[in-house]
Amino acid sequence: DTEVTQTPKHLVMGMTNKKSLKCEQHMGHRAMYWYKQKAKKPPELMFVYSYEKLSINESVPSRFSPECPNSSLLNLHLHALQPEDSALYLCASSQDWGVGTEAFFGQGTRLTVV
Amino acid sequence: RKEVEQDPGPFNVPEGATVAFNCTYSNSASQSFFWYRQDCRKEPKLLMSVYSSGNEDGRFTAQLNRASQYISLLIRDSKLSDSATYLCVVNNNQGGKLIFGQGTELSVKP
Repeated sequence: DTEVTQTPKHLVMGMTNKKSLKCEQHMGHRAMYWYKQKAKKPPELMFVYSYEKLSINESVPSRFSPECPNSSLLNLHLHALQPEDSALYLCASSQDWGVGTEAFFGQGTRLTVV
Repeated sequence: RKEVEQDPGPFNVPEGATVAFNCTYSNSASQSFFWYRQDCRKEPKLLMSVYSSGNEDGRFTAQLNRASQYISLLIRDSKLSDSATYLCVVNNNQGGKLIFGQGTELSVKP
């Protein structure tokens, strides 16, 4: 089962709201990722977690706050977002954090900030 | 120069055609290479990994030329269902950091 599950699939939030995106995988993967994708653009890496520890933060604004409660779960907490943050947010996982490991993506959360 | 560059596309081809996508990468230390496929408003899905010896999966053939830092994907006998954006992806050995090309859009017409 190569499945990464993301909830919710769609989210509309106001600029003063606080919301969370959730991601879950049961493949025993030890690396999990958050990507942001705008229309007609490739995914852009935001965060990498390896063995439940934050390994890479691609200079993401603090209004995005990742959390990895355990090896199967990854959250992205959102607060005081801007309309330009509207995008498809993709979670991915891979066996390990390193060379040669293929990443599997969830279906994404389509976020609209109003 | 972008780390991973692909043909800009779009490619519009008839069913049954053979189409080739090219990709170049700038970091000679890159270790892993992949082709992903992304349908409109869907997530990227792994199509195939790319190895130095080349690899084939049905109608799809991927090649890697490390000396030229070049990756290719060949699709034979194109089907309507092959219409998608094809993403060249490179792991540049900075841990889990996958670098995506900008994608090449393929449209297969009847």
